[in-house]
Amino acid sequence: DTEVTQTPKHLVMGMTNKKSLKCEQHMGHRAMYWYKQKAKKPPELMFVYSYEKLSINESVPSRFSPECPNSSLLNLHLHALQPEDSALYLCASSPGLAGAVDTGELFFGEGSRLTVL
Amino acid sequence: AQSVTQLDSHVSVSEGTPVLLRCNYSSSYSPSLFWYVQHPNKGLQLLLKYTSAATLVKGINGFEAEFKKSETSFHLTKPSAHMSDAAEYFCVVSRTSGNTPLVFGKGTRLSVIA
Repeated sequence: DTEVTQTPKHLVMGMTNKKSLKCEQHMGHRAMYWYKQKAKKPPELMFVYSYEKLSINESVPSRFSPECPNSSLLNLHLHALQPEDSALYLCASSPGLAGAVDTGELFFGEGSRLTVL
Repeated sequence: AQSVTQLDSHVSVSEGTPVLLRCNYSSSYSPSLFWYVQHPNKGLQLLLKYTSAATLVKGINGFEAEFKKSETSFHLTKPSAHMSDAAEYFCVVSRTSGNTPLVFGKGTRLSVIA
């Protein structure tokens, strides 16, 4: 099984809503990532978890709150978002190195397309 | 610091003709280099990677890339384009060790004309 599964595929929310994006992998990977991708742009790194601990936060606004309940799951909690937060949110995983971010291949999910009204 | 420059934002080829997508990199350290492909409304898929072994790297779907240190390049090629190759392609660099995330190029959109 080489899949990274993201749910939901599409999400529409108002600026006062609270919602969550979910990501799951069963490849035994120990590093998991959230990326944000705007149209016709490369993915931008948001967060990295390594061995279930937050390793990197790329100065993301607090209205985005990541959570890694266990080594297979990664959530992104959304609250009080702005219309400019509308984007494709990609989850990825990699085998992971203890205490370090993996520099090898990332395995990406298909993304959750978020629209904020 | 590392960076990659994809020299073309858009490349258009006819089906059956060769594909060349250009990428130059900058790295103070021995780099790892990757090409990822993204089809419309999909996630990214790894095409191939260079990690200081053979300089000519073969990937999936007939793609290959050659690491040229003297030219700081890692161009992606395919002998014969197929309609299904139409997608966005990203050149990516990272250090071979350490705590540095991947650095993505801006992407090249490949169009294939029938």
